[in-house]
Amino acid sequence: KAGVTQTPRYLIKTRGQQVTLSCSPISGHRSVSWYQQTPGQGLQFLFEYFSETQRNKGNFPGRFSGRQFSNSRSEMNVSTLELGDSALYLCASSIKGGDLTEAFFGQGTRLTVV
Amino acid sequence: SQQGEEDPQALSIQEGENATMNCSYKTSINNLQWYRQNSGRGLVHLILIRSNEREKHSGRLRVTLDTSKKSSSLLITASRAADTASYFCATDHNQGGKLIFGQGTELSVKP
Repeated sequence: KAGVTQTPRYLIKTRGQQVTLSCSPISGHRSVSWYQQTPGQGLQFLFEYFSETQRNKGNFPGRFSGRQFSNSRSEMNVSTLELGDSALYLCASSIKGGDLTEAFFGQGTRLTVV
Repeated sequence: SQQGEEDPQALSIQEGENATMNCSYKTSINNLQWYRQNSGRGLVHLILIRSNEREKHSGRLRVTLDTSKKSSSLLITASRAADTASYFCATDHNQGGKLIFGQGTELSVKP
């Protein structure tokens, strides 16, 4: 069974630009969550989607958004990039999200904002 | 902050020794999961323990959970150099797929 696939693996963007990251979950998994990892703040929850609906959102500004498609693939978008958005962005999939389900992570997208 | 705490922040041991990492959290949980991360790569799921379980084993891993103390520990027995990584605990509080991660323990196993 293929794991969680995130694309691209690495990305360099300029301040003010926008970026879209993609995540393909494990086949059959309907929940996709996104996390931001930085040395200072650690792993922080961005949002979670289940059956194309956002069920939960972390404490991030509105510049961070996401969506999920009918095939469970998910994208997250960051607009008006700031230097502080440089981070490893991780996507996790699980069968239904929460409540006894294991979350499996992709390799992440390393975003550098210059 | 909602984040849990892990200790120690860093641990250095010799191959063959056991490594113990601890995790504490603040509010009641559905389950607690442990992950490994190698050098800024993705997280690898190690083990999940449910709130009604006290101990779980998987190969060289042993996880305990004490819900009265809101804490968990991960024991890696007979460590190997390949176990060198950062280890994170993550708690599920039944908040729609959201996991809350600890700050992690950086484990170094010297050959």
